[in-house]
Amino acid sequence: EVHLVESGGGLVQPGRSLRLSCTASGFILGDYAMTWFRQAPGKGLEWLGFIRSRASGGTAEYAASVKGRFAILRDDSKSIAYLQMSSLKTEDTAVYYCARGSGSPFYWGQGTLVTVSS
Amino acid sequence: EIVLTQSPGTLSLSPGERATLSCRASQSVTSSYLAWYQQKPGRAPRLLIYGATSRATGIPDRFSGSGSGTDFTLTISRLEPEDFAVYYCQQYGSSPQTFGQGTKVEIK
Repeated sequence: EVHLVESGGGLVQPGRSLRLSCTASGFILGDYAMTWFRQAPGKGLEWLGFIRSRASGGTAEYAASVKGRFAILRDDSKSIAYLQMSSLKTEDTAVYYCARGSGSPFYWGQGTLVTVSS
Repeated sequence: EIVLTQSPGTLSLSPGERATLSCRASQSVTSSYLAWYQQKPGRAPRLLIYGATSRATGIPDRFSGSGSGTDFTLTISRLEPEDFAVYYCQQYGSSPQTFGQGTKVEIK
């Protein structure tokens, strides 16, 4: 059974960095692109970006709102995808979701809450 | 960037009624790469429809998607109690991928 579990969320001060992890089980992470989304409290869904599988080049694409501040990485040997976030702003406060695939994902994690506040 | 506009913002209906949700794109969606998700409070989104018209695995046939180009529709033929939720459309044919702002289907 496919499972995705996000971790690493919490309270962080503006300007600081945080790394989220997405631990995959039930499938071979290396065979899939992985995408990150977020949802600010009471708001809609926002696509942040995705990373291609190694077979497809392993490169990433990002939304303009996070490009240059966020990086999506992967360690296929550990079955973990990462979202490295830097220069965090209060408006980055949201629940962050990882999902399998790069288009219309069927499998999503349960989300992890990141609160950016002083 | 393709802007998706969903209407109405809120739909108040009774169980057993038909729900029609609209998603309009600011420009044509490539290859009908349009998806619909259902989301309940505190839960991750659930994929209902992809490719504008294809039901995801395990989705009941009361859910159907239609449309192409810039106009798309999600229809729930007869609302069940578990269908009251927020619904989002998403286009994934052009980067950046974008979502509509959501339609809340509430119990009348």
